[in-house]
Amino acid sequence: AQSVAQPEDQVNVAEGNPLTVKCTYSVSGNPYLFWYVQYPNRGLQFLLKYITGDNLVKGSYGFEAEFNKSQTSFHLKKPSALVSDSALYFCAVRELNQAGTALIFGKGTTLSVSS
Amino acid sequence: DTEVTQTPKHLVMGMTNKKSLKCEQHMGHRAMYWYKQKAKKPPELMFVYSYEKLSINESVPSRFSPECPNSSLLNLHLHALQPEDSALYLCASSLGSLETQYFGPGTRLLVL
Repeated sequence: AQSVAQPEDQVNVAEGNPLTVKCTYSVSGNPYLFWYVQYPNRGLQFLLKYITGDNLVKGSYGFEAEFNKSQTSFHLKKPSALVSDSALYFCAVRELNQAGTALIFGKGTTLSVSS
Repeated sequence: DTEVTQTPKHLVMGMTNKKSLKCEQHMGHRAMYWYKQKAKKPPELMFVYSYEKLSINESVPSRFSPECPNSSLLNLHLHALQPEDSALYLCASSLGSLETQYFGPGTRLLVL
């Protein structure tokens, strides 16, 4: 079965500093990886995905993620954090079986950006 | 436009009530999903519809009954729920079952 792990429950950064939210994966076959963000009392917003191709994926709101096959990681990054980036971030992997497709989510990482 | 709408935004119901959650998208997506999310936890998949046919049912209790009347609409019928069913219920859709899923804002359900 596919799985992703987010080792940090919370990440704290100061506004203007670079941020990294970590994700590692365990899959059989090629990984299809996603990052979503959830603001309080809201649904999930899609940020970016890795299917194939360049290891550096650019997404919405200035976020990017680096796919590293040797380290089985897919870390989310942003060069300069904003207070408005404070939210809950989920890494996810697509699982495909005979019944269909499902997204398997990590436990989530709360990002707190201080001014 | 990547908008999925859900109604109602909030719902309070007793354990003997019958209610329905509604999800709608007009992006031409052919796969639609229901997820359940408890506070500070990741979403958990409940049901998947692909081309209006139920393709995944993740062993969800029968008190939850999904329905896909057409390719744009997804309902979740609720009956005889338990307090532990209180959660945020998220709907998502994707162009096909292998494509990116886009989520609605959710319905926050409280069962008394």
